[in-house]
Amino acid sequence: EVKLEESGGGLKKPGESLRLSCAGSGFPFSTFEMNWVRQAPGKGLEWVSYINSRGDTTYYADSVKGRFTMSRDNAQNSVYLHMNNLRVDDGALYYCARGGLVYNLWGQGTLVTVSS
Amino acid sequence: QSALTQPASVSGSPGQTITMSCTGTMSDVGSYNVLSWYQQHPGMAPKLIIHEANKRPSGISDRFSGSKSGNTASLTISGLQADDEAEYFCSAYAGGSQFVIFGGGTKLTVL
Repeated sequence: EVKLEESGGGLKKPGESLRLSCAGSGFPFSTFEMNWVRQAPGKGLEWVSYINSRGDTTYYADSVKGRFTMSRDNAQNSVYLHMNNLRVDDGALYYCARGGLVYNLWGQGTLVTVSS
Repeated sequence: QSALTQPASVSGSPGQTITMSCTGTMSDVGSYNVLSWYQQHPGMAPKLIIHEANKRPSGISDRFSGSKSGNTASLTISGLQADDEAEYFCSAYAGGSQFVIFGGGTKLTVL
């Protein structure tokens, strides 16, 4: 089965850090670009970050630049999102999504809540 | 770049045809053909239904069609079915630091 599975979400206080993981299976993971996209409760989608297939090029939304870092380990078929200095408005369901500019496979998401 | 503009809601009866819009600017929708539509049922992950403005991925019903003119893209759903009731998001390549931007979503209600 072709799928993506996110993990690592949880409840954090403002200023704390968190690492999200996304494991891919059923497809040649190392050949695909990957992204993180988030959705605050009851809100729309917001692209967060991108990484190319080799892991040597990343892009970030202005809202997270300097605080979040995306990485990947193709040997583990996984991508990660390292989130530092979390803010209340970072609270959302975080999806990993396969593709460059078009996302043809999504995980079910992992929930991040940031509250004091 | 700001988010793309979508109507908050549209509705139609079973069997009818509806069209929803997605408006951007010359810097995003108007400049690139990287325009996608995603369907999201409540509690589920988004699902790609249209890419490159008018192309359907394998397995997507031909009741779904897309078009683009200038800075505005449209999604048309013909022969409305109950299962089409969902939220629909458009996305576009914005270039620069914003990379990909989404619309705010349109909730489709099948009456």
